[in-house]
Amino acid sequence: GAGVSQSPRYKVAKRGQDVALRCDPISGHVSLFWYQQALGQGPEFLTYFQNEAQLDKSGLPSDRFFAERPEGSVSTLKIQRTQQEDSAVYLCASSLVRLRGDEQYFGPGTRLTVT
Amino acid sequence: QKEVEQDPGPLSVPEGAIVSLNCTYSNSAFQYFMWYRQYSRKGPELLMYTYSSGNKEDGRFTAQVDKSSKYISLFIRDSQPSDSATYLCAAPRLGKLIFGQGTTLQVKP
Repeated sequence: GAGVSQSPRYKVAKRGQDVALRCDPISGHVSLFWYQQALGQGPEFLTYFQNEAQLDKSGLPSDRFFAERPEGSVSTLKIQRTQQEDSAVYLCASSLVRLRGDEQYFGPGTRLTVT
Repeated sequence: QKEVEQDPGPLSVPEGAIVSLNCTYSNSAFQYFMWYRQYSRKGPELLMYTYSSGNKEDGRFTAQVDKSSKYISLFIRDSQPSDSATYLCAAPRLGKLIFGQGTTLQVKP
């Protein structure tokens, strides 16, 4: 069975451009998480979906960040008017249930560089 | 103050050494803890998790939690070059994971 996949793996954007990052979770996984990992830091929570419902977006750093999961499977994280401080690796994780954090499976991440 | 703190290292040891990786946490509500391993340019992968206090062993890895001092440890016995990676401690809060900064480990042949 395939794991969590993310695309693109690398993205270079000029400051001010909009970007869209895609996550394909493990089939059948109900929960989906987005994390942001700055260089030399641990991942930090951005947002959480249970099926198509976005239940927690407390970690989104600004209103330029928007995430969706319209059919409860694939998710897209969109960043509008990118800034240099948005440069980071964006990790997606999925889990079968939400109850236990140890069931989160991570994708390889999308490395975003804003120039 | 971050809820989970970890010395970033880097930590360099010779092959075969015993490695000790540590984290501290501030939130008494955390009920269990995880260790993730992250290779360069890869996503984190779960190594071990432990509930409450005590030890858990899995092969060459032992995870230890001391709730009285809010201290989490991961021990690696007979370390191998393939263990070279960043090790992240984490605790779940409302389903989301709260990570430490990560400790970079290099095991030299």
